[in-house]
Amino acid sequence: AQRVTQPEKLLSVFKGAPVELKCNYSYSGSPELFWYVQYSRQRLQLLLRHISRESIKGFTADLNKGETSFHLKKPFAQEEDSAMYYCALRSTSYDKVIFGPGTSLSVIP
Amino acid sequence: NAGVTQTPKFRVLKTGQSMTLLCAQDMNHEYMYWYRQDPGMGLRLIHYSVGEGTTAKGEVPDGYNVSRLKKQNFLLGLESAAPSQTSVYFCASSYSVGPQHFGDGTRLSIL
Repeated sequence: AQRVTQPEKLLSVFKGAPVELKCNYSYSGSPELFWYVQYSRQRLQLLLRHISRESIKGFTADLNKGETSFHLKKPFAQEEDSAMYYCALRSTSYDKVIFGPGTSLSVIP
Repeated sequence: NAGVTQTPKFRVLKTGQSMTLLCAQDMNHEYMYWYRQDPGMGLRLIHYSVGEGTTAKGEVPDGYNVSRLKKQNFLLGLESAAPSQTSVYFCASSYSVGPQHFGDGTRLSIL
């Protein structure tokens, strides 16, 4: 069965410090992974997807199939990065996309 | 530039009542999704659609029905509301798999 876990409910870092938001998944096939972000009083939005291999707002994420992880990283956190972050998984056999429970990131000035 | 519009934004129901949540998108997207968001549980997929006239079950479909008669609209129905369905409901759409544009959400309370 598909499952996404995000072990940290809350994560606090100082401005300028590196950030890593953890995401692990369980799926026996070939997954497609996403990161979504919800800033305060804004709509949930797609941040990046692993197939694009892109960097958005300084964030990157690498799919590690051996560790079944898709951690989100940024070398230098900014105050505007404070938000709720969700990892999501889509199985390539089906079109449904399921989300993890989310991690609330707080960047301390 | 409306994007994804959900109506209503808030609603209070009594147990056993029925209602329909409407999601409309103006981007000609094929894929549409309904999620519910509960504290500590993230977003859970209720139903989704890969095109007009098609629907499929997600993770938590029980107690809900959906219809996609028109490409731009995706309706979520509660036939007999239960307190366990108190939640915030989000609709999303995308041109390919992976929800891309979300609505503002509908806050639903069942008493």
